[in-house]
Amino acid sequence: DVQLLESGGGSVQPGGSLRLSCATSGLTFGSYAMSWVRQAPGKGLEWFSSISSGGDATYYADSVKGRFTVSRDNSKNTLYLQMNNLRVEDTAIYYCAKGGRRSGAWYIEYWGQGTLVTVSS
Amino acid sequence: DVVMTQSPLSLPVTLGQPASISCRSSQSLVHSDGNTYLNWFQLRPGQSPRRLIYQVSSRDSGVPDRFSGSGSGTDFTLKISRVEAEDVGVYYCMQGTHWPTFGQGTKVEIK
Repeated sequence: DVQLLESGGGSVQPGGSLRLSCATSGLTFGSYAMSWVRQAPGKGLEWFSSISSGGDATYYADSVKGRFTVSRDNSKNTLYLQMNNLRVEDTAIYYCAKGGRRSGAWYIEYWGQGTLVTVSS
Repeated sequence: DVVMTQSPLSLPVTLGQPASISCRSSQSLVHSDGNTYLNWFQLRPGQSPRRLIYQVSSRDSGVPDRFSGSGSGTDFTLKISRVEAEDVGVYYCMQGTHWPTFGQGTKVEIK
């Protein structure tokens, strides 16, 4: 079974940084694009970042561009999200997802349980 | 970005009765490759989100056949033929033809 386990969430002040990790198992990690999706309290889902299987292509929504960096270590089957200059509006549950861009379209097959990030003074 | 509009946002249903959720996109979801990348996801309390339907009407492995998807172009529907207690949750449509965007979600609850 595919398993995605996020970690690294927590509370941080505005302007601070956090690094999320997503440990995976049950899949040939290096063969798949991966993505991050978030859900702010009481809001809908927002797909905001993806990375290609080899890590050579990354994609970001305007809401996080220049502040967040997605990366991966295929030798460790792990996806990362470095979040800098965090804002109150970044408060959300952050989900790791198996999927991304493929042949010009976007897909998600599996999701993790999510990790909560709270940005507050 | 493509705006996805779901209705209703809240759907009280009686066990064993059918339910239907509509999803409309602000642009056509027909990709240049001829496919339509419209998905449906289920978020149940305390669980990871789960994909139910991809490319409008293809059901994922393990998804009960009471779930079905239909539609084309900009209008899509998720139907549950007979609602069961385990179907309680929030359902989202998502388009992957353009930069991916989700609908607002439809909360399904038992009357």
